[in-house]
Amino acid sequence: ELKVEQNPLFLSMQEGKNYTIYCNYSTTSDRLYWYRQDPGKSLESLFVLLSNGAVKQEGRLMASLDTKARLSTLHITAAVHDLSATYFCAVEAGTASKLTFGTGTRLQVTL
Amino acid sequence: DAGVIQSPRHEVTEMGQEVTLRCKPISGHDYLFWYRQTMMRGLELLIYFNNNVPIDDSGMPEDRFSAKMPNASFSTLKIQPSEPRDSAVYFCASSLFWGAPTDTQYFGPGTRLTVL
Repeated sequence: ELKVEQNPLFLSMQEGKNYTIYCNYSTTSDRLYWYRQDPGKSLESLFVLLSNGAVKQEGRLMASLDTKARLSTLHITAAVHDLSATYFCAVEAGTASKLTFGTGTRLQVTL
Repeated sequence: DAGVIQSPRHEVTEMGQEVTLRCKPISGHDYLFWYRQTMMRGLELLIYFNNNVPIDDSGMPEDRFSAKMPNASFSTLKIQPSEPRDSAVYFCASSLFWGAPTDTQYFGPGTRLTVL
């Protein structure tokens, strides 16, 4: 059974600081996703990572994938308050199969 | 584009009652997913459909839960009878062609279900 673990579960950081969220998964994966969820809201897709060494960036967020280590990272650069949300990674074990979500990392950016 | 539409947005019911949640996927999307989100279990897939046919229902908790997709623009998730432990946020998501390299799932706003 595919297991997806994220850490930390909760992250409080000051504006302007950098930090990284980690996502480990237990079996070979075809695709890895990062989603964002604001409190009481739906999930918004941020990134799709397909292959080893893949790196994608959008604004202050950068995601990378190491399939050999079964590890993805979401790096936050110079955090701003608007980035406060819960971030989920999700892994697809096989083509067109179901997504298994991590526990989520609740990010709080303080002034 | 209206996005994925779910109704109702909030539902409060009493234990033992039947509950029906509804979802309209994005027009043209061939895949539809039902998820449940709770504090204890996180976000978990219940069932998903491709072209109205259920593909994987291994996440459906028990026989009290059933899902249908009678046509490409409508799906229901039914709980009968409901129990307090069913209280959760239920999300519906759709995808144009799940399995294509860069495809993603688009989530609806969710239905917050409270079973008293």
